Amino acid sequence: NAGVMQNPRHLVRRRGQEARLRCSPMKGHSHVYWYRQLPEEGLKFMVYLQKENIIDESGMPKERFSAEFPKEGPSILRIQQVVRGDSAAYFCASSHTSGTVAYEQYFGPGTRLTVT
Amino acid sequence: RKEVEQDPGPFNVPEGATVAFNCTYSNSASQSFFWYRQDCRKEPKLLMSVYSSGNEDGRFTAQLNRASQYISLLIRDSKLSDSATYLCVADSWGKLQFGAGTQVVVTP
Repeated sequence: NAGVMQNPRHLVRRRGQEARLRCSPMKGHSHVYWYRQLPEEGLKFMVYLQKENIIDESGMPKERFSAEFPKEGPSILRIQQVVRGDSAAYFCASSHTSGTVAYEQYFGPGTRLTVT
Repeated sequence: RKEVEQDPGPFNVPEGATVAFNCTYSNSASQSFFWYRQDCRKEPKLLMSVYSSGNEDGRFTAQLNRASQYISLLIRDSKLSDSATYLCVADSWGKLQFGAGTQVVVTP
């Protein structure tokens, strides 16, 4: 049973370009979460998604960042017009649920974004 | 004020010894609590969930005190492979709030 998969593992972008980070949840998991870890800092929640729905995006920066989890295919975290401050490790996690109860979250290996 | 606060350490522990540390959380509405470990800023790995009644998984024991809003982790018979950063986590409706981590270094 494959774990959470993320790609690319490393991404280098120049200032002003777009970054697209992909996440495939564990088999049987229908909920996806994105977290960001800035250098020398802890993990911070960004967004929580179900298929075709954003459940909680309270941690997303107001501009340039968006996320989706379409009916088919991986979840995508998109950062437009990247700036140096976006350089970080972006981790995706997934879980399954039963009604309103979310279970433990399992993390993917992360995408290290470097903005030059 | 941070939602989850931890002593950053490092806790230097001789191999075979016991080490314990805890964290506090500020959101009394948090429903679930976990300990994760993170090695060299790789992905966090779930160590164990934490229940009010206390729970044990091998050499690891976790405890939750809702009245005082703190969570503890105890590691018995420390192994060199236990060296890592331990992340205390509070879950509010799927939104995990991470502490900054407690570094544990187990020495031979």
